[in-house]
Amino acid sequence: EPEVTQTPSHQVTQMGQEVILRCVPISNHLYFYWYRQILGQKVEFLVSFYNNEISEKSEIFDDQFSVERPDGSNFTLKIRSTKLEDSAMYFCASKRDANQPQHFGDGTRLSIL
Amino acid sequence: KNEVEQSPQNLTAQEGEFITINCSYSVGISALHWLQQHPGGGIVSLFMLSSGKKKHGRLIATINIQEKHSSLHITASHPRDSAVYICAVMSNFGNEKLTFGTGTRLTIIP
Repeated sequence: EPEVTQTPSHQVTQMGQEVILRCVPISNHLYFYWYRQILGQKVEFLVSFYNNEISEKSEIFDDQFSVERPDGSNFTLKIRSTKLEDSAMYFCASKRDANQPQHFGDGTRLSIL
Repeated sequence: KNEVEQSPQNLTAQEGEFITINCSYSVGISALHWLQQHPGGGIVSLFMLSSGKKKHGRLIATINIQEKHSSLHITASHPRDSAVYICAVMSNFGNEKLTFGTGTRLTIIP
């Protein structure tokens, strides 16, 4: 069965550094999402992406965050200057169309030192 | 106030018991998801429903749109069912994002 693939599984970065989290959504999917989960807390929406543009973003998704679908297969989340509070599990999700469930990747655990 | 509330937060049961996890939400929705999160952190979609009832194996999900309530049932529970079960809703205002509950940690003892 097709899967959403996220790399790396664990990223350790110094505070202030830029980090790029990578996702390969399922190939015929059209809607893409990033979520994050701080340890011990619930999953929170960051951003949704459709038709090559952001369709919605949360208050968390400030100017330090950006998303890109550079080549039609990858979907990346960039954090420009990481803070300690960016430490979390980041999940990518995708779906084929509006009436289908979202499929999640296994997540990238981001640790900011 | 949280838009999505789950109960109980933690549930421990003996193998074979019938399990019920509840979810209440306060916003209008187009669909509700039940998700399973294993200790490694990965999230698996179990059900997406907007009315009635769905069944998959030993799992059953129901939703009552008028009462803004959904339940997830597990029959003949097994230790491998131990995980965090999360309810998430998709609003009906054109947004595609999911709003998540805090999850129910289920532990099934052999």
